[in-house]
Amino acid sequence: AQSVTQLGSHVSVSEGALVLLRCNYSSSVPPYLFWYVQYPNQGLQLLLKYTSAATLVKGINGFEAEFKKSETSFHLTKPSAHMSDAAEYFCAVSESDSWGKFQFGAGTQVVVTP
Amino acid sequence: EAQVTQNPRYLITVTGKKLTVTCSQNMNHEYMSWYRQDPGLGLRQIYYSMNVEVTDKGDVPEGYKVSRKEKRNFPLILESPSPNQTSLYFCASSLSAFLTYEQYFGPGTRLTVT
Repeated sequence: AQSVTQLGSHVSVSEGALVLLRCNYSSSVPPYLFWYVQYPNQGLQLLLKYTSAATLVKGINGFEAEFKKSETSFHLTKPSAHMSDAAEYFCAVSESDSWGKFQFGAGTQVVVTP
Repeated sequence: EAQVTQNPRYLITVTGKKLTVTCSQNMNHEYMSWYRQDPGLGLRQIYYSMNVEVTDKGDVPEGYKVSRKEKRNFPLILESPSPNQTSLYFCASSLSAFLTYEQYFGPGTRLTVT
């Protein structure tokens, strides 16, 4: 069985500061992990995904995430926050023995202050 | 333009009155899925479809029905809506659920059941 935990429902960062969003997962088999972003009144958009290749994954808009099996984590980072990064971010997991099933975390709302 | 469309975008209805939310994609995707989004709970998968005539339950299928008679359409049916089905609903599609292709999300349908 798979599950996802996102630590922190709200994160406030200053423009130019590091963005760090935490995601931990539980999975009985090697997982596939995703980060999605949701801008106000829109659907979700894929930021990046881990599919058992490189453990450091680079995505769009300067975001990256590192898969750490020993910590069962897939934290999302961006070195320098921009005002346009204000959105809600979701971590999601899928497993190779249950193709088609996805589980999402509860989401983290990011506020960027000038 | 490649997209996932949902109709209606907003719907207010009364308890027990059957309704259908349509979802259509023009990308020839095999995989489609329905999610509901509730504050503090993130997205929860309702049903998904690996291909035409193949559907399976997600984590919260109770009170919902789906059908996949054509590749492009995946309607969500609430035969007897109840207030606890008030939510924001998203349809998504993907080239395939295998190899974790990106899911493309529709704009959402906000449903209120009174």
